[in-house]
Parts: sequence; structure tokens; C-alpha cells
Amino acid sequence: EDQVTQSPEALRLQEGESSSLNCSYTVSGLRGLFWYRQDPGKGPEFLFTLYSAGEEKEKERLKATLTKKESFLHITAPKPEDSATYLCAVRGTGFQKLVFGTGTRLLVSP
Amino acid sequence: DARVTQTPRHKVTEMGQEVTMRCQPILGHNTVFWYRQTMMQGLELLAYFRNRAPLDDSGMPKDRFSAEMPDATLATLKIQPSEPRDSAVYFCASGLVLGDVNQPQHFGDGTRLSIL
Repeated sequence: EDQVTQSPEALRLQEGESSSLNCSYTVSGLRGLFWYRQDPGKGPEFLFTLYSAGEEKEKERLKATLTKKESFLHITAPKPEDSATYLCAVRGTGFQKLVFGTGTRLLVSP
Repeated sequence: DARVTQTPRHKVTEMGQEVTMRCQPILGHNTVFWYRQTMMQGLELLAYFRNRAPLDDSGMPKDRFSAEMPDATLATLKIQPSEPRDSAVYFCASGLVLGDVNQPQHFGDGTRLSIL
């Protein structure tokens, strides 16, 4: 059974203090690892898709990386507007089905 | 930007009542997904459709939940009868499948359901 574990559950940073969020996964035949951002009262917003170990994607202050067992979401010099819950999901050989982790709640203080 | 539209955004009703949630997927998308999100369980897949055909509804309590796509612009999720344990946020997502290409799913802003 496909599984995703995210850590830490919650993370508090000062503005400008870089850090990383972790997503560990087990999946039969990875067909994509996805990062989403979710703001309170909103649906998850797509950020990145990674397909193979060694792949990296960047968007503004965010960079996602992938190994065979985990993915990291690196946040460089975060700002208060980066505060949100970050969700990781994997798609295995099951048709289009995503399995989500429970997320990391990030709070960036000014 | 094209968006998935869900209605209603909030629903409060009493136990035993029927609840219908609606979703308009992004035009051109051929897959639709229903998820439930709770603090304890996170996001759980309830059902999904491709080209309006149900492919998997194993995540759904069959005795009270039903999901349909009467046409390409409307997906519905019904609960009858509703129970307090059904209180959660229900999300609809849509995506595009073209052969083996893994298009990301795009989510609506959810229906927050409270069953009293």
C-alpha cells in the first residue's frame, strides 16, 4: 500500500530563516510526487511535480528535490506570506490516484 | 485562471438529512476526484471518474454515499442519510489524462459540511 509521511507536523520560522520540509514515501512504481500548498479555507494549490530521483524544481523561494525514498521542500529566506500547510502526495501505478501525507503547517513570523 | 467550482461552500444540517454537493470541473479536464479532509485523517480519496465513468469508489461508505457525473460539467456527491461523523471539508479536483502523461490535479475550495 502506498504511504506518505511528512515531517515536521508544524514548523515556525522567523522571516529570512531558511529550512526544509520532508516527505518520505513508499510506493509501488512512482509515477509522480506532487507538492501542494493549502491556505486556510482554501483547496490545495499545485506547486510542483517530480518524476525521478535527482530531479529538482524551483519556484520563487521554494525548491523541491527528490530521492528514491523522500522529497524535500526547501524554503529559502521565507516571508510571512509563505505561511501555509504544505502537502505532499504520490501517484503510483494506481490509475491517477494520489495518496496524500497529512501536511506540514508552516508559520513564518515577521 | 480556470478553476474548479464547488457549491455550496458551507452546509449545516441536521442528522438524517440528505446532503448534495456539486462540482464544476475545469473545462477540458477528463478526470474528477472527490476527497474528504479532516484534522485526524487528512485528505482521503472517496471516488474518482474518468470521462464521466466511475473508476474507483472504494473510499466511500456505499450505504450512504453516492457520486455521479450526469454530464461533463457537473459532478455530484450525495450523502443520505447524513451523520455527525460525516462532518468534514469535501474537495473536488479535476485533471487531464493524456495517455501516460501525469497532469496535476487542480482543487476547488471545498464544501465545509457540519452535521448536527
